[in-house]
Amino acid sequence: EVQLVESGGGLVKPGGSLRLSCAASGFTFTSYSLNWVRQAPGRGPEWVSHISSSSTYIYYADSVEGRFTISRDNAQNSVYLQMNSLRAEDTAVYYCTRSSTYMSSYYGRFDYWGQGALVTVSS
Amino acid sequence: DIQMTQSPPSLSASVGDRVTITCRASQGIDTYLNWYQQKPGKAPKVLIYAASRLQSGVPSRFSGSGSGTDFTLTITSLQSEDFATYYCQQSYSRPPAFGQGTKVEIK
Repeated sequence: EVQLVESGGGLVKPGGSLRLSCAASGFTFTSYSLNWVRQAPGRGPEWVSHISSSSTYIYYADSVEGRFTISRDNAQNSVYLQMNSLRAEDTAVYYCTRSSTYMSSYYGRFDYWGQGALVTVSS
Repeated sequence: DIQMTQSPPSLSASVGDRVTITCRASQGIDTYLNWYQQKPGKAPKVLIYAASRLQSGVPSRFSGSGSGTDFTLTITSLQSEDFATYYCQQSYSRPPAFGQGTKVEIK
């Protein structure tokens, strides 16, 4: 069974930092790209960042570029999101998702999601 | 960036009804369009990918159609477990954007 389990969420002050982790199991981790997708209260999901299977390709949404860093450890079957210079508008549930490609779509569909980690940025 | 616009934002329907949700892309995306269902407090779940392909394990009452800029998600006979919020998402280009959602409520 495919599982993605996030951890590391919490309450942080504006300007602070937080590191999210996602532990994966039930599939060949090194064969898949992974993403972080967030969802602010009452809003639709928003893609945040992507990392390819061997970390060769890394992409960010404009809203987090320069503040967030995605990484993965294929030996530990884990992906991480280091979040710095946090702002109130970063408050959201952060989901770790797996990309399953189709046709020539690079991102494909997000076919598995974790349960989410709540990040609250407030003074 | 490609913008995704869904309509309606919400709808009320009864069990057994046929429901149609529309998604429009701000530019052509071929058939690189996915549909997700989300229930309160849960992560989204993919229903349809490549505009019309049914994700494994998803009931056949869900179907998708369209290409280019206009897409639809149809639920042929609404069941009680289908009351949820539905999102479209384009995977044609970066960023892979979602629509704002359509909430399907009980009439």
